[in-house]
Amino acid sequence: QVQLQESGPGLVKPSQTLSLTCTVSGGSISSGNYYWSWIRQPAGKGLECIGRFHSSGSTTYNPSLKSRVTISADTSKKQFSLKLDSVTAADTAVYYCARSLTVFGVIRHAFDIWGQGTMVTVSS
Amino acid sequence: QSALTQPASVSGSPGQSITISCTGTNSDIYTYNSVSWYQQHPAKAPKLMIYDVSNRPSGVSTRFSGSRSGNTASLTISGLQAEDEADYYCSSYTSTSTLSLFGNGTKVTVL
Repeated sequence: QVQLQESGPGLVKPSQTLSLTCTVSGGSISSGNYYWSWIRQPAGKGLECIGRFHSSGSTTYNPSLKSRVTISADTSKKQFSLKLDSVTAADTAVYYCARSLTVFGVIRHAFDIWGQGTMVTVSS
Repeated sequence: QSALTQPASVSGSPGQSITISCTGTNSDIYTYNSVSWYQQHPAKAPKLMIYDVSNRPSGVSTRFSGSRSGNTASLTISGLQAEDEADYYCSSYTSTSTLSLFGNGTKVTVL
């Protein structure tokens, strides 16, 4: 059973880089046909897709964040990471990593496995 | 890009049925069979309830069903139970970003 766990600093100063890691247990990020995604949720607000990594090595970013976001993976450690540059208070949110649902080997645009989420606050 | 539009709140009594709407555009709900719905209890991660408009993942109660008409998708909860009280989010693939776009969320209250 695949499980995801986010980790990283809970407090980041404005203008600095937010760095988070998602560790995958019970499975591999380099095999199978899955998207591995980062999603965030500001307090009391809705969800926003930040971007995703595919096991083929391709990445897709939300156009609204593209200039500041990098998603990468370390398959040997079964981890994928998020870096968000030049953060402001607007980046304060709970950050989730999630895996896409795959049905009969075909990726669906839905997320069936989520990490528990990690709260990141941007403040000096 | 604007979020999909959901009502802020919907309520119902135990045993009743309620429906949550989710309105999008030609760039998402109208064109793609990729609407999904998530249930989120306080301080918990979202849980997938419906994918591809009307499909339930294994283990999700048959009381949850999804549909779509034009650019509006709907989630119906029948036989409402106290445990259904939560926030619900719709999502759709969007050609604008080629990612999933979420709705602003609907709080379901069981009276």
